[in-house]
Amino acid sequence: KAGVTQTPRYLIKTRGQQVTLSCSPISGHRSVSWYQQTPGQGLQFLFEYFSETQRNKGNFPGRFSGRQFSNSRSEMNVSTLELGDSALYLCASSGGAGNYYNEQFFGPGTRLTVL
Amino acid sequence: GESVGLHLPTLSVQEGDNSIINCAYSNSASDYFIWYKQESGKGPQFIIDIRSNMDKRQGQRVTVLLNKTVKHLSLQIAATQPGDSAVYFCAVSISGTYKYIFGTGTRLKVLA
Repeated sequence: KAGVTQTPRYLIKTRGQQVTLSCSPISGHRSVSWYQQTPGQGLQFLFEYFSETQRNKGNFPGRFSGRQFSNSRSEMNVSTLELGDSALYLCASSGGAGNYYNEQFFGPGTRLTVL
Repeated sequence: GESVGLHLPTLSVQEGDNSIINCAYSNSASDYFIWYKQESGKGPQFIIDIRSNMDKRQGQRVTVLLNKTVKHLSLQIAATQPGDSAVYFCAVSISGTYKYIFGTGTRLKVLA
């Protein structure tokens, strides 16, 4: 079974631009979570989607948004990029259906650099 | 607010020795805990999990201990090998929130 895939793996943008990152979960998984990882803050939760619905979100500004499609693939968008948005963005998928205890499987991440 | 902390940012152990990595959490409602291993350039990899109705769980060469009284969990790695060198994170969740809070990570260095 293929793992979680994220595209692109690396991205360089300039301040003020916007970016869209993509995540394809493990086949059959319906929950997708997004995290931002930086050296100073560690892994921080952005949001979680299940069946195209956002079930929870972290404490990030509205510039960070996401969505999930009917095939469970998910995208996250960051608008008006700031230097501080440079980070590794990780996607994790899990079964998610009704069972609160879900092992999350992570993708390799997208490394975003904002210049 | 919720917080998860690790006691040591870096841990160096001799190859063959046992490693113990600690994690403390703040929310007593937390009921699911996971340990992840992250190698350079890769996403976190699941190691072992434990639910709040347990206080110990064992896997292959790894054991997780949970002390709900003091809100502390630990990861024990037996006979540490060079391939165990990585950053280890604990993640804490509350059922129904669909959200995990991660600790800041402990870098484990295995000395030959």
